[in-house]
Amino acid sequence: EAGVTQFPSHSVIEKGQTVTLRCDPISGHDNLYWYRRVMGKEIKFLLHFVKESKQDESGMPNNRFLAERTGGTYSTLKVQPAELEDSGVYFCASSLGDRIGYTFGSGTRLTVV
Amino acid sequence: GESVGLHLPTLSVQEGDNSIINCAYSNSASDYFIWYKQESGKGPQFIIDIRSNMDKRQGQRVTVLLNKTVKHLSLQIAATQPGDSAVYFCAENPYGGSQGNLIFGKGTKLSVKP
Repeated sequence: EAGVTQFPSHSVIEKGQTVTLRCDPISGHDNLYWYRRVMGKEIKFLLHFVKESKQDESGMPNNRFLAERTGGTYSTLKVQPAELEDSGVYFCASSLGDRIGYTFGSGTRLTVV
Repeated sequence: GESVGLHLPTLSVQEGDNSIINCAYSNSASDYFIWYKQESGKGPQFIIDIRSNMDKRQGQRVTVLLNKTVKHLSLQIAATQPGDSAVYFCAENPYGGSQGNLIFGKGTKLSVKP
């Protein structure tokens, strides 16, 4: 089966601009997660979708971040406006039902300059 | 706050030796733990998991040990190979079950010398 796909793999934008990250989970996976890793720090949870609904968004840093999952398939994470501290690697993961363990995508490396 | 941490940030071993990567957790309510391996340019890859009702679980060349008394988790890799070179993360789920968000440690970089 195809894995979790993230696009783009890298993005360099200026402070104040908008960036949209996309995640295509494994087909049929109802759970979709966003995580991010800021340089030198732990991988931190951002939010969790079950199908198209936000199950838990307690990790979203502020209202500059907006995640959507239209139709319960792919998801987008928009950062608007981007700030320097948003730089890091954003990971998406998906899983099916109560199956143990996630499958992660390769991540999007975001650099805000 | 509650967190998962790692004792050693880097570990260098000789090819063929066994590797042990350690992790401490602070949330006694955590009941599910996972080890991930992350190679350069890739996302975290599931290696092995363990539930809190177990002390040990074995996979292919890997063993996870859980000591709930001291809140310690370890990953043992037997006969370490160059392909094992990566950053290893432990993660815990303090919210019960196998779903929900995970709390990750900072990671240990394993380097295997040929």
